[in-house]
Amino acid sequence: GESVGLHLPTLSVQEGDNSIINCAYSNSASDYFIWYKQESGKGPQFIIDIRSNMDKRQGQRVTVLLNKTVKHLSLQIAATQPGDSAVYFCAENQYSGGGADGLTFGKGTHLIIQP
Amino acid sequence: DAGVIQSPRHEVTEMGQEVTLRCKPISGHNSLFWYRQTMMRGLELLIYFNNNVPIDDSGMPEDRFSAKMPNASFSTLKIQPSEPRDSAVYFCASRGRSGNTEAFFGQGTRLTVV
Repeated sequence: GESVGLHLPTLSVQEGDNSIINCAYSNSASDYFIWYKQESGKGPQFIIDIRSNMDKRQGQRVTVLLNKTVKHLSLQIAATQPGDSAVYFCAENQYSGGGADGLTFGKGTHLIIQP
Repeated sequence: DAGVIQSPRHEVTEMGQEVTLRCKPISGHNSLFWYRQTMMRGLELLIYFNNNVPIDDSGMPEDRFSAKMPNASFSTLKIQPSEPRDSAVYFCASRGRSGNTEAFFGQGTRLTVV
């Protein structure tokens, strides 16, 4: 029979508009967060990260906001372009001090850019 | 640097056969991760290594899966025997030494078990 897959949230925006992608994380002990972009047929690609001692960080056309009180993370993309079409994942990590630990990924949001 | 290199890019095999996926991490990185991505479950961490030592394999689905890292520049993920439900994209990622940093992913191996 037909398999049922993940129903990825989809965000559709007009080219040139700003996009905001949201993510709720589960582990209150997580102290490091990353946004990844995954294009079709490729591996996840790093966009921007933020540590828990910050609540905002800006990159080129992207801004990440962290609200530890409600365990919420958002990615803002300014002036979206067709090349921004992809699935976006947030990932969280709790640094144990003994070496790198595995990142835990959210389910992803599919960003579609309308011409 | 060429980034994380995985091989093969695509693998089609028959149920019951042994499958070996390969990964070369970025030179100088001391942590390596194997992830599996499916439509049903998204990106799942299977196992990770620090300094070639397996640290957490709790994500490995069952005994049919095994992973090794004989040296700092090579790792394998083996499935024996393979089953159709193992069909997925398998990603390898590596991370540097400086604590909380991003993981760099390879292009993945798309495995189809028929």
